[in-house]
Amino acid sequence: DSGVTQTPKHLITATGQRVTLRCSPRSGDLSVYWYQQSLDQGLQFLIQYYNGEERAKGNILERFSAQQFPDLHSELNLSSLELGDSALYFCASSPTGQGNYEQYFGPGTRLTVT
Amino acid sequence: AQSVTQLGSHVSVSEGALVLLRCNYSSSVPPYLFWYVQYPNQGLQLLLKYTSAATLVKGINGFEAEFKKSETSFHLTKPSAHMSDAAEYFCAVSRSGTGGFKTIFGAGTRLFVKA
Repeated sequence: DSGVTQTPKHLITATGQRVTLRCSPRSGDLSVYWYQQSLDQGLQFLIQYYNGEERAKGNILERFSAQQFPDLHSELNLSSLELGDSALYFCASSPTGQGNYEQYFGPGTRLTVT
Repeated sequence: AQSVTQLGSHVSVSEGALVLLRCNYSSSVPPYLFWYVQYPNQGLQLLLKYTSAATLVKGINGFEAEFKKSETSFHLTKPSAHMSDAAEYFCAVSRSGTGGFKTIFGAGTRLFVKA
């Protein structure tokens, strides 16, 4: 158990809908990362937050947004969903925003868009 | 732009045989390098990391990796494979740039272990 929790575990929704994925980092970790894992694109970095502020951005679509709250939990919002958004979404946390620290991954949320 | 290349999307070894999973990175400066493992239906977990200390890094479960700057490689090895090592392995590189640190993961190598 990494100490990172993600909810829900599974999510099935229709095209055009909007969903929110939630992540609670390990106790004490200030940085949260979001990743998308799919068979065709592998593990893609989406976005990083550090202590409530956006720190780095990856291949995140404009239909997707995220935020980190004062209690350090984070939410990833996916809107106008398309079939291609079906994937595993992972949240990870680390003590700082520095690259020399490993990331601790949650169990993931499996999103299925029908 | 930095990138990570894992040679071989699938590797199959016999139980007790040497495991060698290859990773090459492209970076103009020495980056931070990581190997993660993902078991079925689980998140990734850290095996080991290189952060500019010793070039030979020992990790969990008997794995180790050697940083070779001249070859821009960070290959993962284990002397003797166990059935429980069957999983997907990801090499990752992290370094600073505009917009903070970014971690780039390789495409992954799935390790099969035959009895």
